[in-house]
Parts: sequence; C-alpha cells; structure tokens
Amino acid sequence: KNQVEQSPQSLIILEGKNCTLQCNYTVSPFSNLRWYKQDTGRGPVSLTIMTFSENTKSNGRYTATLDADTKQSSLHITASQLSDSASYICVVSEGSQGNLIFGKGTKLSVKP
Amino acid sequence: GAGVSQSPSNKVTEKGKDVELRCDPISGHTALYWYRQRLGQGLEFLIYFQGNSAPDKSGLPSDRFSAERTGESVSTLTIQRTQQEDSAVYLCASSLVRSANEKLFFGSGTQLSVL
Repeated sequence: KNQVEQSPQSLIILEGKNCTLQCNYTVSPFSNLRWYKQDTGRGPVSLTIMTFSENTKSNGRYTATLDADTKQSSLHITASQLSDSASYICVVSEGSQGNLIFGKGTKLSVKP
Repeated sequence: GAGVSQSPSNKVTEKGKDVELRCDPISGHTALYWYRQRLGQGLEFLIYFQGNSAPDKSGLPSDRFSAERTGESVSTLTIQRTQQEDSAVYLCASSLVRSANEKLFFGSGTQLSVL
C-alpha cells in the first residue's frame, strides 16, 4: 500500500534553533517527493520538489534531502523564525500521472 | 487571478442540508483538484478535472459528493444531505497541466462544519 509517514507528529523549538523533520515513504512507482508548508487556515505552499536523481534541494533556509534507496527524506530548517510555525507536509508523487500521496504533516511551533 | 480562490472560507450547516463550495483556479491552469483535509489527517484526493476530459471521480467518498467544472474555469463541489463526518477543510488546487512534476497551487480552503 502506498504510504507516507512523517515524524515527529509535532515539534516545539526556540527561535534561532535548527530542526530536522523526517519523511519515510512506500510509494511505487516513485516520481518525485515534495515538501509543502501549510500555515494555519491557509492552503499548502510548495517548498521543494525532488526527483529520483536529486539528493538535496534548498529553498532559502529550507533544505530537503532525498535517499531514494532507503525511501527517506528530511527537511532541515536553519535558524528558525517565528514565521516558520506551521505544518510541514511530505508528499510523494506516484507514477507518470503524478497521483499525490500526502503525509499527515509535522506541526512545528517556534517559540520566542 | 493571482492565486486560487475559494469561497466561502467558512461554512456552518445543519446535518441533512446541502452545501456548495466554489473554487476559482489560476487563469490558464487546465488541471483542477479537490482535496479533503480532516483534522490531524493527510489530504485525501476527491476529484480531478483536466480541460474537457472526463473527470477522475475515484476519490469521492459517496454519491452525496459531486463536482462540476465548466471548461477551464470555476468549479463547484456539492455535498448533499451533509453528515457530521463531512466536517473538514475542503481544499482546491490547480496546475498548468496534470503531469508528475507539475507544481500545484492551493487555495486557502473552505472550513465546513456540520452540526
């Protein structure tokens, strides 16, 4: 069964600290892996999209990694800001048509 | 428009009533998706439209759910005889075309509460 599992479920960090969110997937055939940020009361916004051949991709203070062999991805946030408080959703695209399998998200709270 | 627009942003209804949710995609985007997001759960695919092709309705949970889209413009999602388990955020997304690497742009969603 195609699944995307994220950990931790929630995380609280202090402003300025770094953190890493994890994503494991069992999706086949794999097309790409995406990370989205969803602020409370808003729709998800794309942070990164990585294909099979990409190991890492950055978007400002966000860096995503992908290990297609172990089917794991991580999202690293550097020097966190209060505005980083949101849910971070890992999404894996399946097959040529791009059926999207969504994880439940990690809720990040950045405290001053 | 500048982004995907959804209305209403919030809807409170009584069990058994029908509701209609609206999505206005980004101009020029041929692909339009509806998703449901229950509290603490991942997004669930409901239905997908691509241009004038037949929609992919494989995610609709029951025959109480239906959706329409005229050409490449506005879409409406209708839920008939609402039940309490229909309470969720309903998200609409659009993309230029449907392909594996295409970026999706989401609206802010409609928070539906069925009392």
